[in-house]
Order: sequence, then C-alpha cells, then structure tokens
Amino acid sequence: DVKVTQSSRYLVKRTGEKVFLECVQDMDHENMFWYRQDPGLGLRLIYFSYDVKMKEKGDIPEGYSVSREKKERFSLILESASTNQTSMYLCASSPGGPTEAFFGQGTRLTVV
Amino acid sequence: GQQVMQIPQYQHVQEGEDFTTYCNSSTTLSNIQWYKQRPGGHPVFLIQLVKSGEVKKQKRLTFQFGEAKKNSSLHITATQTTDVGTYFCGKTSYDKVIFGPGTSLSVIP
Repeated sequence: DVKVTQSSRYLVKRTGEKVFLECVQDMDHENMFWYRQDPGLGLRLIYFSYDVKMKEKGDIPEGYSVSREKKERFSLILESASTNQTSMYLCASSPGGPTEAFFGQGTRLTVV
Repeated sequence: GQQVMQIPQYQHVQEGEDFTTYCNSSTTLSNIQWYKQRPGGHPVFLIQLVKSGEVKKQKRLTFQFGEAKKNSSLHITATQTTDVGTYFCGKTSYDKVIFGPGTSLSVIP
C-alpha cells in the first residue's frame, strides 16, 4: 500500500514564526502536492513538484515555499506564519501522468 | 485558477434516499477523478473517467462523464450511513489534480 506520511497531525504556531510541514511518500512517486483545505473552498493547490528540485506554483502559492531535495520528501514552508494560514494542509503524491493521488492524513495548523 | 464547480455544496438525505452531486467545467476535460473524504479523514480516490459519455459503476455508486467532457456526476443509490462524507471531483492538468469545492453528504438514519 502507498503510504504518504505527514510529520504532524496537529500544530500550533505563533504569528511570524517560520513553519515547516514535512511529507514523505514510500512509493517512488514522481509527483508530490501540497493542498490547503478550508470549509466551502475545497482542496486548493499550493505547490506541485514533478521531480527532485522541480516545483510549480499552484493556485494559492503566496506566503508559501516548498523544497524537494529528495524524491520521497516534499516540504511546505510558511516563511512568516499568519493567522489566515490557519487551515488543514494535505500532502499527496502520484506516479507520473494523470493517475490517482494518494493523500496523507493531513496537518491541522493553527496560527495564533 | 482553473475552476471546477460542484453542486450542491451540502446535501442532507434520509437513509435509503438517492443522492447526486454534479461537477462542471467551463473547459473540456481530459479526464475527471472522484474522491471521497470521510469526516476526520483524508481524500481517497474512487474512480477516474476518461471517455466521452463514459459510465462506470461501483456497487451503489454510478459515475458519468458528459458527452462534451465538460461535466460529470456521481449518483449514489439508496444511501447508507457509511456514505457520509465529502465527495470531490478533480480534473488533471499536466499531472496536477485541480479539485472542485466538494459536496458534503449527511445521511439521517
């Protein structure tokens, strides 16, 4: 079974802090994604990576950056956390091509 | 961003009633994917439709892809409490999956 593991289930951070959300997948997938989920807005794509060190902005990249130094690991970075970044963050991976995405369990981030 | 619309946003049904959620795009889709997210869980892939007019069934779930490949629907026959959750449609664009806002289904026992 594909496993996508996010480092934290719940996280509370202060405004202005630099926040790292980590995601690891164990199926040698080419693609990895970070989504943000908010009520009524569904899953919005923040960043997408299709290879090591390769990244592409999604629909809402402002305030975020990403890092993919190894194929299995994709990190989401909030440079200076703000309260409007309080949300559920979901990491996903997929093999190359238009195939199904496998999601991690999510990280509920609260910025106070 | 690229938009995929979904209606309704919420649906409350009595157990045993049918349920349908609709997914619409202003542009032609190469394919459409459907996912289910249980309360407190993460989205799980259900199916992918690729061909114009395609219909696929999974037990009580019927998935359709429109002839023009601009819309899709998910129909659940005789809902059960296990069907509770949010159903998302998603379109792929150069390997990215772009999701609709989802339909949240509640089933009243």
